[in-house]
Amino acid sequence: NAGVTQTPKFQVLKTGQSMTLQCAQDMNHNSMYWYRQDPGMGLRLIYYSASEGTTDKGEVPNGYNVSRLNKREFSLRLESAAPSQTSVYFCASSEMDRGHNEQFFGPGTRLTVL
Amino acid sequence: AQTVTQSQPEMSVQEAETVTLSCTYDTSESDYYLFWYKQPPSRQMILVIRQEAYKQQNATENRFSVNFQKAAKSFSLKISDSQLGDAAMYFCAYLLSFRDDKIIFGKGTRLHILP
Repeated sequence: NAGVTQTPKFQVLKTGQSMTLQCAQDMNHNSMYWYRQDPGMGLRLIYYSASEGTTDKGEVPNGYNVSRLNKREFSLRLESAAPSQTSVYFCASSEMDRGHNEQFFGPGTRLTVL
Repeated sequence: AQTVTQSQPEMSVQEAETVTLSCTYDTSESDYYLFWYKQPPSRQMILVIRQEAYKQQNATENRFSVNFQKAAKSFSLKISDSQLGDAAMYFCAYLLSFRDDKIIFGKGTRLHILP
């Protein structure tokens, strides 16, 4: 039981390049999330998916797209990376059941855009 | 809109002592959840404790306990017998029950443990 996995762990991009961050969970959770973490800003929600086939914008969606490929996988795509997207990205999942609604997080991806 | 405020960017405590981290939140709802997450230098986010707003009893998990004051919209975390492994960023978080899947995080408090 790996929980939430993310790839890659580190990435350096040049401005304008594109890339996809991958996330998978093996806990059969319905809900999945993408956050970015910047110094002094806490975690800010980029996009989330309440169930397979649905996605919704969070607090900071501009410059990102997501795909909920199936129940297990939720990817985040940067079409044209900008230095302002330098951050640590976390994927999370949860069941959203009254007794089990905490989010489980992946190990994070440190992205640097030059 | 719901907000979560952690007014202490950094705190320090002597090993074996007790420390309290503050958190306040703003909501007009009555049914919600509150969480404390720990983020050690490894970056992994770890759930420390959870409180359901409809429960008056404060949640406890071993050396971690909360002081939940619903009327004051306050949710502080007390760490007893602090250990070196408690050094981390601590995030307070709010979840509106069932009507919204989104958790709102505070900006965090960095806790230093002094040997």
